[in-house]
Amino acid sequence: QVQLQESGPGLLKPSETLSLTCTVSGGSISGFYWSWVRQPPGKGLEWIGYFFHTGSTVYNPSLQSRVTISVDTSKNQFSLNLNSVTAADTAVYYCARDVRLGNRYYFDSWGQGTLVTVSS
Amino acid sequence: IVLTQSPATLSLSPGERATLSCRASQSVYTYLAWYQQKPGQAPRLLIYDASSRATGIPARFSGSGSGTDFTLTISSLEPEDFAVYYCQQRLNWLTFGGGTKVEIK
Repeated sequence: QVQLQESGPGLLKPSETLSLTCTVSGGSISGFYWSWVRQPPGKGLEWIGYFFHTGSTVYNPSLQSRVTISVDTSKNQFSLNLNSVTAADTAVYYCARDVRLGNRYYFDSWGQGTLVTVSS
Repeated sequence: IVLTQSPATLSLSPGERATLSCRASQSVYTYLAWYQQKPGQAPRLLIYDASSRATGIPARFSGSGSGTDFTLTISSLEPEDFAVYYCQQRLNWLTFGGGTKVEIK
């Protein structure tokens, strides 16, 4: 069974760059789509972007100018960079696997999430 | 595509039937999923393609609808079903609804 684990700094200052890594174990990163999703405290879920193992990416238009998702297949990891953070970027950040189910892709596996707080 | 979930909160007792609604701002055909999230946990996939149960999901969970109107039904609430439920569309990129909290009455 595939497992995902997020890692990275939990506290940032405004204008800094958020950098998180998702390590995939129990399965290969190849052949799947992988996403980042975030959830501000007490609020709903927001999709950030996804990529395919070949490197093609799609980002949420509302975050596109600040987001980069990259992959390191040799380490079975993928990463999220979000620059120029503000307090509005404070959230629990999840990585998730997108698998083909029926007619579309859906998230069948998630990491436990990591809280990132932006504060001066 | 904007997904609007209603009600925001549903107060019910164990054993009762829960009916949750998700309305899309435009047709998403049947490209809609439902997720359950408990406090401190990641979401869990319940239903995909509007009406197909994910692996290991009990039969008391069912989904229906197409186009713009969708429903998640929990036929008889178990204590572990009290949680927040989100719908998600996969027609055009990906968006989530705002969630419905099912709480114990």
